[in-house]
Amino acid sequence: QKEVEQNSGPLSVPEGAIASLNCTYSDRGSQSFFWYRQYSGKSPELIMFIYSNGDKEDGRFTAQLNKASQYVSLLIRDSQPSDSATYLCASPGGYNKLIFGAGTRLAVHP
Amino acid sequence: EPEVTQTPSHQVTQMGQEVILRCVPISNHLYFYWYRQILGQKVEFLVSFYNNEISEKSEIFDDQFSVERPDGSNFTLKIRSTKLEDSAMYFCASSVKGLPYNEQFFGPGTRLTVL
Repeated sequence: QKEVEQNSGPLSVPEGAIASLNCTYSDRGSQSFFWYRQYSGKSPELIMFIYSNGDKEDGRFTAQLNKASQYVSLLIRDSQPSDSATYLCASPGGYNKLIFGAGTRLAVHP
Repeated sequence: EPEVTQTPSHQVTQMGQEVILRCVPISNHLYFYWYRQILGQKVEFLVSFYNNEISEKSEIFDDQFSVERPDGSNFTLKIRSTKLEDSAMYFCASSVKGLPYNEQFFGPGTRLTVL
């Protein structure tokens, strides 16, 4: 059974700091990873996806993938209170479905 | 920007009743999915649909569940006889192509409450 693991948090960071969210996965053959943001009571909103080892940057967000160590991370620079949400890591469980982690709750305090 | 839409936003039903949840995927997308999220739990895959047939379904997706694409725009999830444990948020998603290299975009969800 493929699994995606995340620390549930909460991760509390001050406004303007870098928030670092981590995810580990069990399937060494996993080829891609997706980061979604989910506000309370809302649907997952895609932030980034990554499939190559190394870093991928998009604005204030950087995804990092290390296939040898089987972890993927999301860095949020200059964190804002509006970034306070649950961040979901997901990986394909085949060609047809995403397997989600439980999510890490991020709280950015002013 | 195109987005997935879902109706209704909230559905309350009595145990044993049938419900139909509706979704309009992004117009040029060919792959469609249903996920659900019980309050406080993970997002769970239910079913994927491509080329007018189910491509994969989870253990949750038993005989009480069915999906249909009745026309060129709608994608529906039917639960024939709802149970209390079906209470959850149901999310429809769509993608241009399948995984692993294509993003899935989620609709706003339907909150199903079974009494």
